[in-house]
Amino acid sequence: DVVMTQSPLSLPVTLGQPASISCRSSQSLVHSDGSTWLHWFQQRPGQSPRRLIYTASNRDSGVPDRFSGSGSGTDFTLKISRVEAEDVGLYYCMQFIQWPHTFGQGTRLEIK
Amino acid sequence: EVQLVESGGGLVQPGGSLRLSCGASGFTFNTYWMSWVRQAPGKGLEWVAHTPPDGSEKYYVDSVKGRFTIFRDNAKNSLYLQMNTLRVEDTAVYYCVGWGVFDNYWGQGTLVTVSS
Repeated sequence: DVVMTQSPLSLPVTLGQPASISCRSSQSLVHSDGSTWLHWFQQRPGQSPRRLIYTASNRDSGVPDRFSGSGSGTDFTLKISRVEAEDVGLYYCMQFIQWPHTFGQGTRLEIK
Repeated sequence: EVQLVESGGGLVQPGGSLRLSCGASGFTFNTYWMSWVRQAPGKGLEWVAHTPPDGSEKYYVDSVKGRFTIFRDNAKNSLYLQMNTLRVEDTAVYYCVGWGVFDNYWGQGTLVTVSS
């Protein structure tokens, strides 16, 4: 299975400051069509997950532009340019280049 | 408005069975890959099963192979997960998830508790 490793697992951030989450895969997530088969999800407390970023760098509809995704191959980053109170929760990366699709362990973002 | 509504969760003894259902509305169900993803209490997300728009293929995580069956009825805009020989470690919230090219939908989840 493709192992997804996130860091840090806990991320205390001051309101208005930037935040960055790293995700590393055990093998390349670049598909033969050139796209990168990685998504990012947010799970607010008590809610279902919601996709933020698809294919590594594309924001889903309705996602604030303070969220951005980057990376290629095996190393990826989710960045929040200025953290707001509503950003508290868990963040997961997920690969879908190989079955079974696998998630990272999750990164818990909290406000300092 | 897009909706995925799961049902069928509950308390079951080890070795028992449950069938989860997911009713979809607000999108063209028969063009979406559909999945079940679960989350054990206080834990992360785990993909359980996956099926294409026509239901012709089925993919399972190793831990549920031979025990769980994913299937869909496109005429009823519904997805199902038949769970047999349930184990304590299957205890989780089970989410129904739809995958489009540019969109992604999650239900609110249904809790399955396997305990004696």
